[in-house]
Amino acid sequence: DAGVTQSPTHLIKTRGQQVTLRCSPKSGHDTVSWYQQALGQGPQFIFQYYEEEERQRGNFPDRFSGHQFPNYSSELNVNALLLGDSALYLCASSLRLAGVHSYEQYFGPGTRLTVT
Amino acid sequence: AQKVTQAQTEISVVEKEDVTLDCVYETRDTTYYLFWYKQPPSGELVFLIRRNSFDEQNEISGRYSWNFQKSTSSFNFTITASQVVDSAVYFCALSEAQGSGGGADGLTFGKGTHLIIQP
Repeated sequence: DAGVTQSPTHLIKTRGQQVTLRCSPKSGHDTVSWYQQALGQGPQFIFQYYEEEERQRGNFPDRFSGHQFPNYSSELNVNALLLGDSALYLCASSLRLAGVHSYEQYFGPGTRLTVT
Repeated sequence: AQKVTQAQTEISVVEKEDVTLDCVYETRDTTYYLFWYKQPPSGELVFLIRRNSFDEQNEISGRYSWNFQKSTSSFNFTITASQVVDSAVYFCALSEAQGSGGGADGLTFGKGTHLIIQP
């Protein structure tokens, strides 16, 4: 049973560039959430995708956008990169069942983004 | 707005000692979910436990136990007879329910407690 996978593992970009990170959810999961974890901090929620739509968004600017595909995989796009965007980007998947609230989110290994 | 506070930035104990990690949360919702995650040096967050707001029963899993008290908005985590392999950063997190359609909000994490178990 495959867990959550993310690619690439590491990425180095220059300020002002654009980046795309990818995530495949755990088998059987239909919901993908993205988090940003700065060094020494807890993860911060960016947004959540379900049924190919953004369902909820954290306090992140529009430079952060995403997409979910019919196979439930997801992409996180960040435009106009800033030095402060350097962080570990974590993807988490979960299962949304009608009438049943909240299932635990399973995290991938993350993508380490460095902006220079 | 929801908030999670882990006041202990770092804890260092000698192997076999018991250790408790504190977590205090704030939420306006009556239905919410509390979680603990472990983040070893490899970086991947490992799910440990989920607790629903309507279930205050404490839970024990091997050397791990959790004490949920709504009256004090706390969800503390105790490791009994700690081992070197328990060394990691531990995060407490909170999410609120997204209405009747199922699913839950994104997680709000505390800043984490770095647990060091010395041999």
